[in-house]
Amino acid sequence: EVQLLESGGNLVRRGESLKLSCAASGFTLRSSAMSWVRQAPGKGLEWVSASSGDGGSTDYIDSVKGRFTISRDNSKNTLFLQMNSLRGEDTALYYCVKMEVRMGNAFHFWGQGTMVIVSS
Amino acid sequence: QSVLTQPPSVSATPGQTVTISCSGTPSNIGTNFLFWYQQFPGTAPKLLIFRNDQRPSGVPDRFSGSKSGTSGSLAISGLRSEDEADYYCAAWDDRLSVWVFGGGSKLTVL
Repeated sequence: EVQLLESGGNLVRRGESLKLSCAASGFTLRSSAMSWVRQAPGKGLEWVSASSGDGGSTDYIDSVKGRFTISRDNSKNTLFLQMNSLRGEDTALYYCVKMEVRMGNAFHFWGQGTMVIVSS
Repeated sequence: QSVLTQPPSVSATPGQTVTISCSGTPSNIGTNFLFWYQQFPGTAPKLLIFRNDQRPSGVPDRFSGSKSGTSGSLAISGLRSEDEADYYCAAWDDRLSVWVFGGGSKLTVL
């Protein structure tokens, strides 16, 4: 059974940093593209970043480029999101998502999310 | 403002069929697959439709997706009270090089 367990969310001040982790089980992380998708309180879904299976290819939404870094430790089946220079608009529930190539890169499995709150 | 446009809310009575639209552009829906996700309050989204019209294992055939040109839709037939949820469409955008979501549609079963 695929399971994704996010951690690392916290209340931080504007300009500070935070590192999110996503522990994956039930599949081999290096075989899967992964994404982070966030949802601000009461708002819709927003894709943030994606990483190819080997981590060699990454993509980001413009608003986080240069501030966020997606990475992975495939030996530990863990995905990360390093978040620097945090802003108020980064406040959201961050989901770790397993993408499925055979489904057209659908966001197939979702974790329960970890909450990031950025205060001013 | 979301790149993909959905109606903020839709409603229907039990047993009816409801359709949720998703409008995009040539660089997203016009070129790439359309996906649909279902989200209940306080829970993570769930994949409902992939590759425009395919259902993952376990999704009832009451849910169906379609795409034509730069728009797509999700139809739910035989509506049930437990279908009340938020529904989001999504696609990859070649011009922006990002995944884009619709703003979400809240389905109310009257």
